[in-house]
Amino acid sequence: SAVISQKPSRDICQRGTSLTIQCQVDSQVTMMFWYRQQPGQSLTLIATANQGSEATYESGFVIDKFPISRPNLTFSTLTVSNMSPEDSSIYLCSTRTDLSYEQYFGPGTRLTVT
Amino acid sequence: ELKVEQNPLFLSMQEGKNYTIYCNYSTTSDRLYWYRQDPGKSLESLFVLLSNGAVKQEGRLMASLDTKARLSTLHITAAVHDLSATYFCAVVSGNTDKLIFGTGTRLQVFP
Repeated sequence: SAVISQKPSRDICQRGTSLTIQCQVDSQVTMMFWYRQQPGQSLTLIATANQGSEATYESGFVIDKFPISRPNLTFSTLTVSNMSPEDSSIYLCSTRTDLSYEQYFGPGTRLTVT
Repeated sequence: ELKVEQNPLFLSMQEGKNYTIYCNYSTTSDRLYWYRQDPGKSLESLFVLLSNGAVKQEGRLMASLDTKARLSTLHITAAVHDLSATYFCAVVSGNTDKLIFGTGTRLQVFP
């Protein structure tokens, strides 16, 4: 299995500012994923973070707004830039190990933008 | 484009009753997942279904997959209050690990 931790667990931020969310996995993994869950909604994939290459963004998400880093095989960050109230969501990172098809999710970062 | 639909969106059921949640998806996929989410919590993995006809059971929950019909079901047997949560199905997109989620089914079990 994979144990995923995220920091911070929650934050309240002012519009126009940026927040960087950290995701740490307890084992080396090839791909890490970032999802967003808006209030009362399902999860939407933001991007895939690969070590050693640029992140791949899904339709509707752009690098300027959600820059991602993946410096090694156990860690990734997602920055939410120039925040607006519409960015208030839970942000979750996810991964799968090579040992099974299970996909694990971190505890999430609950972001509120005022 | 892969789309995943779940129904019902909301399910209120009495303890002891049985019910089924349906998950339809629009294009071929290799894997289907079921997750549970409690309020304010992250996702808890319930089942991974890998092949046509796959059936998995854990306690009062049983999941099945029909890849030809592009349909998965999550059957609840003799519901208890502790099963109250939101249940999501998710389907792998293409030959990747990217998950496309259904809308979720909010289950409420009352005495």
